[in-house]
Amino acid sequence: AQSVTQLGSHVSVSEGALVLLRCNYSSSVPPYLFWYVQYPNQGLQLLLKYTSAATLVKGINGFEAEFKKSETSFHLTKPSAHMSDAAEYFCAVISSGSARQLTFGSGTQLTVLP
Amino acid sequence: NAGVTQTPKFQVLKTGQSMTLQCAQDMNHNSMYWYRQDPGMGLRLIYYSASEGTTDKGEVPNGYNVSRLNKREFSLRLESAAPSQTSVYFCASLVTGDRLAYGYTFGSGTRLTVV
Repeated sequence: AQSVTQLGSHVSVSEGALVLLRCNYSSSVPPYLFWYVQYPNQGLQLLLKYTSAATLVKGINGFEAEFKKSETSFHLTKPSAHMSDAAEYFCAVISSGSARQLTFGSGTQLTVLP
Repeated sequence: NAGVTQTPKFQVLKTGQSMTLQCAQDMNHNSMYWYRQDPGMGLRLIYYSASEGTTDKGEVPNGYNVSRLNKREFSLRLESAAPSQTSVYFCASLVTGDRLAYGYTFGSGTRLTVV
């Protein structure tokens, strides 16, 4: 079964600092990987996805993630944090097979300090 | 273009009551899913329907039933609600077949409290 592990349930950064949210995956086949963001009391919004086309994936709001097979990682980064980035972030992997179930990590709450 | 619509948005139930959460998508997606979100646990799959006429259990199916009424609609039923089912419920749909377009569309969620 495929799974993802997010390291750090809470991350705090200063406004303007680098954002790094960690995600490692476990998969016996090439995975499809996703990052979602959830703002308070809202649904999930897709930030970016990796579908094997390119290892460096750019998403919305200045976020990007790099797929590293050797490290089984798909970390999310943003060069300069903004107050509006404060939210919960979820890494997810899609399963093989026809059902295409999305399996989520436990989430990382990002706090941006002024 | 509404995407995925969930009703109701909020609900309070007493222990033992039953209710049905409704979900509809207008994107002609084949697959639909029900997730629950609890603090510190991410989203966990309750049930899914890979195509019209089929349903299967996910990670946490106990206490729930589902119906894929047609291609558009996928409902989740709690027959006898328990406080442990207090959660935020998300419905999602997925287009299949095009690898470059993979990505779920989520509804806005139903916040359920069982007292």
